[in-house]
Amino acid sequence: AQKVTQAQTEISVVEKEDVTLDCVYETRDTTYYLFWYKQPPSGELVFLIRRNSFDEQNEISGRYSWNFQKSTSSFNFTITASQVVDSAVYFCALKPNTDKLIFGTGTRLQVFP
Amino acid sequence: DAGVTQSPTHLIKTRGQQVTLRCSPKSGHDTVSWYQQALGQGPQFIFQYYEEEERQRGNFPDRFSGHQFPNYSSELNVNALLLGDSALYLCASSLKSTNEKLFFGSGTQLSVL
Repeated sequence: AQKVTQAQTEISVVEKEDVTLDCVYETRDTTYYLFWYKQPPSGELVFLIRRNSFDEQNEISGRYSWNFQKSTSSFNFTITASQVVDSAVYFCALKPNTDKLIFGTGTRLQVFP
Repeated sequence: DAGVTQSPTHLIKTRGQQVTLRCSPKSGHDTVSWYQQALGQGPQFIFQYYEEEERQRGNFPDRFSGHQFPNYSSELNVNALLLGDSALYLCASSLKSTNEKLFFGSGTQLSVL
């Protein structure tokens, strides 16, 4: 089975708090890609990061960081010092050895001032 | 450089009707994928077009069909609309040879009454 699970349906934080969005995936493919996308109210999916299955290095981009652990099949996303503009639905997605993306159900993040 | 553009942005149809949605890929991209996103859910892969042929298909009935034109633009057709077809339809484009990230449009919101 190929699946992405985002157990957190909705998270609410106050501005400047750190927040971690969890993502667990399942695949039998040895080569695959993992993605995070942000979906603001406009509906467009905005690409945040792509990680291939052979690269377990964590990555930091400004206030965003990602922790990829193959041993636990997790690809978690942390926003440091959250801002109101971070409010959106965040999707984790898996691209196994095919041409389609398999998305999780998303986590709605609300950041309050 | 225009990104992925979709038209129309909103559409209202009644059960049993047929609908056509349109997508222009990002400049330089040759592959178009379509996704259906029901309210509160993650996008689900419908199919992908490359070189004017359907290359891969998700778990959608034959009522869903598509086309890709020589200029790489694409159409999604849905026949015999059902209430359950109400969703946001997202188009994504990519360059086949590079296996890079997908760029998504803002989608077409289809309501079936």
